[in-house]
Amino acid sequence: ETGVTQSPTHLIKTRGQQVTLRCSSQSGHNTVSWYQQALGQGPQFIFQYYREEENGRGNFPPRFSGLQFPNYSSELNVNALELDDSALYLCASSLEQAIGGTEAFFGQGTRLTVV
Amino acid sequence: AQKVTQAQTEISVVEKEDVTLDCVYETRDTTYYLFWYKQPPSGELVFLIRRNSFDEQNEISGRYSWNFQKSTSSFNFTITASQVVDSAVYFCALSDYTGTASKLTFGTGTRLQVTL
Repeated sequence: ETGVTQSPTHLIKTRGQQVTLRCSSQSGHNTVSWYQQALGQGPQFIFQYYREEENGRGNFPPRFSGLQFPNYSSELNVNALELDDSALYLCASSLEQAIGGTEAFFGQGTRLTVV
Repeated sequence: AQKVTQAQTEISVVEKEDVTLDCVYETRDTTYYLFWYKQPPSGELVFLIRRNSFDEQNEISGRYSWNFQKSTSSFNFTITASQVVDSAVYFCALSDYTGTASKLTFGTGTRLQVTL
């Protein structure tokens, strides 16, 4: 068990709605990254937060946004949901923002289904 | 651009067989890190190993071993004497340091099915 917890585990939303996913980082970790994993694919980087600021973003539209709180927990918000947003959303925490070799610890993910 | 290729989509073996999962990567960076993660049905990605680009020594950890060859841009993973509990999807990943953020570029994964 990694100590990274995500909630909820499963979620069903209607197209056009908004959703908030939550992540609690491993104790002491100040960096959190979010990944989207479509069925049968590898995880795709959405963005990374370090000390409450976004410091890197993948190829995702602005309707994907996030927050990191002083306790280093994090939220992923998705507005105007589309059917293609259906995926497993993974949160990963790590100790430092930009050390490439730092091991990232992943949560179990939130399975989002958009209907 | 960073790219990781796992050409094997699915592998099925009988318990106690050895199995090798292939990973080929592309990067223009001289310093980079490679990872293997295991994803059981529960969904959580479990870290297995991290190697940096300056360390080409092969590594063995119990039934797991890794073969890193910079000349062929490959980082292959072998499970010796496979067990049913090894059944999972395995991902190879490459770390990309953009200067402000560190992200992982994953391959599409190899599903390993170990049967009795």
